[in-house]
Amino acid sequence: GAVVSQHPSWVICKSGTSVKIECRSLDFQATTMFWYRQFPKQSLMLMATSNEGSKATYEQGVEKDKFLINHASLTLSTLTVTSAHPEDSSFYICSASPDPYYGYTFGSGTRLTVV
Amino acid sequence: GIQVEQSPPDLILQEGANSTLRCNFSDSVNNLQWFHQNPWGQLINLFYIPSGTKQNGRLSATTVATERYSLLYISSSQTTDSGVYFCAVVLDNYGQNFVFGPGTRLSVLP
Repeated sequence: GAVVSQHPSWVICKSGTSVKIECRSLDFQATTMFWYRQFPKQSLMLMATSNEGSKATYEQGVEKDKFLINHASLTLSTLTVTSAHPEDSSFYICSASPDPYYGYTFGSGTRLTVV
Repeated sequence: GIQVEQSPPDLILQEGANSTLRCNFSDSVNNLQWFHQNPWGQLINLFYIPSGTKQNGRLSATTVATERYSLLYISSSQTTDSGVYFCAVVLDNYGQNFVFGPGTRLSVLP
C-alpha cells in the first residue's frame, strides 16, 4: 500500500511555456502532500506543502507565482511551473503519507528540462 | 538552524564488502527515514526508524535518538546497491515535512 504516482516522468519544454506535474496518492487519501526539488548531485529541498482545499505553503525563496500548486482533491496535487526558464530545469519529487507516524512515500519524480 | 549531516559523502566498495553510513541530526526528531535514490532518480524507502533497530535482508538501521544519530548498515554489498543514500528527518518542532541530509554516494564495484 501507500503508493504515490507522479507524472510525467520526464518532460522537455521551451522557455516561456508552462508545465504541469501531477502527484496522485493511489490507495489512500492525502490532505497534505509535499513538493521537493533536487538539482544535479544535490540533496532534496522542500519547495512547498500542498494542502487539500486551501492554499499551499511555500518555503522561503520559492516563488509562489512561478510554482503554482493546486490540491483540489484528496488524491491529487499538481505543480505547474509557469513561464519556465532553463534555470528551472531540475528533478521534482512529491511525497505523501496515509499516516505520518509510519513514514512517507515518494513519487518517482519528474525530470524537467527547459530549453 | 536545522542541521542534518551524513558521512561519508562518498564511498567506493568492492562487491561483497560491508559498510556503515552515518546520519547526525541537531535536534530531537519524531520521524527519521533512510532512502536509496537509484540512478534513475527514484527514491526508495528503506527504513522508517525514529528510534531502535530494524533489519531488512542485507540492510539494517539503528537510531539512537537520545544521541541524535542513525546508522545504516549494508552487508555483502552488490552493484545494485550503488546510488545515493539519504537520511531525512522531521524535527519535532518543524511540522511534517522532511529535512534531507546531503546524502552518501555509494559506488559498488564488481
